[in-house]
Amino acid sequence: DAKTTQPPSMDCAEGRAANLPCNHSTISGNEYVYWYRQIHSQGPQYIIHGLKNNETNEMASLIITEDRKSSTLILPHATLRDTAVYYCIVSSVYNQGGKLIFGQGTELSVKP
Amino acid sequence: DGGITQSPKYLFRKEGQNVTLSCEQNLNHDAMYWYRQDPGQGLRLIYYSQIVNDFQKGDIAEGYSVSREKKESFPLTVTSAQKNPTAFYLCASSIVPGGTYEQYFGPGTRLTVT
Repeated sequence: DAKTTQPPSMDCAEGRAANLPCNHSTISGNEYVYWYRQIHSQGPQYIIHGLKNNETNEMASLIITEDRKSSTLILPHATLRDTAVYYCIVSSVYNQGGKLIFGQGTELSVKP
Repeated sequence: DGGITQSPKYLFRKEGQNVTLSCEQNLNHDAMYWYRQDPGQGLRLIYYSQIVNDFQKGDIAEGYSVSREKKESFPLTVTSAQKNPTAFYLCASSIVPGGTYEQYFGPGTRLTVT
């Protein structure tokens, strides 16, 4: 699976959009981009995933560049409860075991 | 409510003792996983199971053992052979095994061995 690079930390004002970048320049055609988040001392929570097209659900939007080498997770109106570590993960359709490789993630602090 | 339960939330053991961590899911998921997380680090895969009565080692299986006798249960035993057992242990499941299905995580068990 391709490696991902994320900034270690970011701040965001409450009520504003949080834009979390992820670089995955070695991604291959059969690899999806997944985002999870982990609130302190809890289990990770699935947010969203995509292959090529932009995706949106009730939690967030995922924007994937046309060359698929990077993506951005957007939380449209961040709240204090969105303070967490956000993990960008690339996973292949051939990953039969389903192993997810969690890096260090981005620690997002939403401030009042 | 459907989900994954792990018990207990906190567990304390003396060095040299085996300890079993519980993981139960009522999501009817085929695949289940055990991860370990150390402070400030990402998650690392210990074992995974794609179907009942079958499981495979992950990246850091040494010193751990698992069983999958029932679809809904995937207990993890931390043996005395595990050199650094103190960690946060997370169980997860997915509807089917594979890299393109989201995983649902339990709340975790924080194990401290002294």
